[in-house]
Amino acid sequence: GENVEQHPSTLSVQEGDSAVIKCTYSDSASNYFPWYKQELGKGPQLIIDIRSNVGEKKDQRIAVTLNKTAKHFSLHITETQPEDSAVYFCAAILYSSASKIIFGSGTRLSIRP
Amino acid sequence: GAVVSQHPSWVICKSGTSVKIECRSLDFQATTMFWYRQFPKQSLMLMATSNEGSKATYEQGVEKDKFLINHASLTLSTLTVTSAHPEDSSFYICSAKSGQGASEQYFGPGTRLTVT
Repeated sequence: GENVEQHPSTLSVQEGDSAVIKCTYSDSASNYFPWYKQELGKGPQLIIDIRSNVGEKKDQRIAVTLNKTAKHFSLHITETQPEDSAVYFCAAILYSSASKIIFGSGTRLSIRP
Repeated sequence: GAVVSQHPSWVICKSGTSVKIECRSLDFQATTMFWYRQFPKQSLMLMATSNEGSKATYEQGVEKDKFLINHASLTLSTLTVTSAHPEDSSFYICSAKSGQGASEQYFGPGTRLTVT
């Protein structure tokens, strides 16, 4: 089955700097890759997603890149702000009617003031 | 955007009792709902997938007789933890999607279950 690996597990960056989180997936049939932000005690919130027919997508300070050949995808956050501090999860969706989300292990991002 | 609610947001129950958690899609019809469990500082682990009007599909290692799932309507799914034990204490999160294929799932705010 699908396996998603995520690195790093923790990341601390200075406010205003950029943060990059990387993920790899194993099942080439996966075709949808969402990224979620989870704040303490809350459910995950979708922040950006990308489909397998697209190489890059950007939404203001957040961008995601996808390399289908290498089965890599990354989240880039520029001009980080204190409110960006949270746990971020990458995920891959199995291409099936069940559409199960397979989550990465999570990255705890801390923004230093 | 689409909203998914969960009730209760937190619950404390005694060992051996059962507790029911509700998941509702407030402004869309959810053909499929998913239940996840998340232990502290860990990722979300899928427990089961439920489609309206049919039996839930459980992931390997999840006891279907212990975690009863009912998806009675297109806007409501319930998870009942039966004969709860302290090791069942966790953060339970549901998600819902409409339509088929790979598409966005909308997550609820989660329910914190503590079994004493």
